[in-house]
Amino acid sequence: ETGVTQTPRHLVMGMTNKKSLKCEQHLGHNAMYWYKQSAKKPLELMFVYSLEERVENNSVPSRFSPECPNSSHLFLHLHTLQPEDSALYLCASSQDPEAGELFFGEGSRLTVL
Amino acid sequence: QKEVEQNSGPLSVPEGAIASLNCTYSDRVSQSFFWYRQYSGKSPELIMSIYSNGDKEDGRFTAQLNKASQYVSLLIRDSQPSDSATYLCAVNIEGGSQGNLIFGKGTKLSVKP
Repeated sequence: ETGVTQTPRHLVMGMTNKKSLKCEQHLGHNAMYWYKQSAKKPLELMFVYSLEERVENNSVPSRFSPECPNSSHLFLHLHTLQPEDSALYLCASSQDPEAGELFFGEGSRLTVL
Repeated sequence: QKEVEQNSGPLSVPEGAIASLNCTYSDRVSQSFFWYRQYSGKSPELIMSIYSNGDKEDGRFTAQLNKASQYVSLLIRDSQPSDSATYLCAVNIEGGSQGNLIFGKGTKLSVKP
């Protein structure tokens, strides 16, 4: 495996479900990110972890809960989501959390019914 | 509210022509600027970074930065159908919290054979 891998690639869930998105990076990077991409909107930063410590929570609702057990793995736990949370969730990593050179995973397409 | 503005397009150019993509940003102290390419159904991929005024060339791609006018552009020479994608401009906010990369909505480029 190389780069940044995300699972699952597609997820459909009801508003009462609990699910998790997983991200793994094989680049030896120090920082990992969750971004949300919705139609007609810019990429929105959700969370940043640097050396497994959360350094940014961009005013994200508490129904999204990140977890970073080590520098290679990042999770996004989802519960009681709303239909407007349907989007592409992108994981990224970088060597330097203050630089802009991000390496993205292929994304997890989430649909909330 | 710090913003990055791009014309959403679509920008349509014939094969072999020069495609010019433009981006303006509102934060006067921004120091780092990036162009990401995103093919339909895929994740963004970094293609160019520029940090100082002037031009930076990489193969068929040239990034141009003018900090006084707060704009950054991407020129694609000898455009190919494989260049058809959405191009995202991103600006790193100086002094912002870690990972504070602001993205534009992207310009969709279509190169016609």
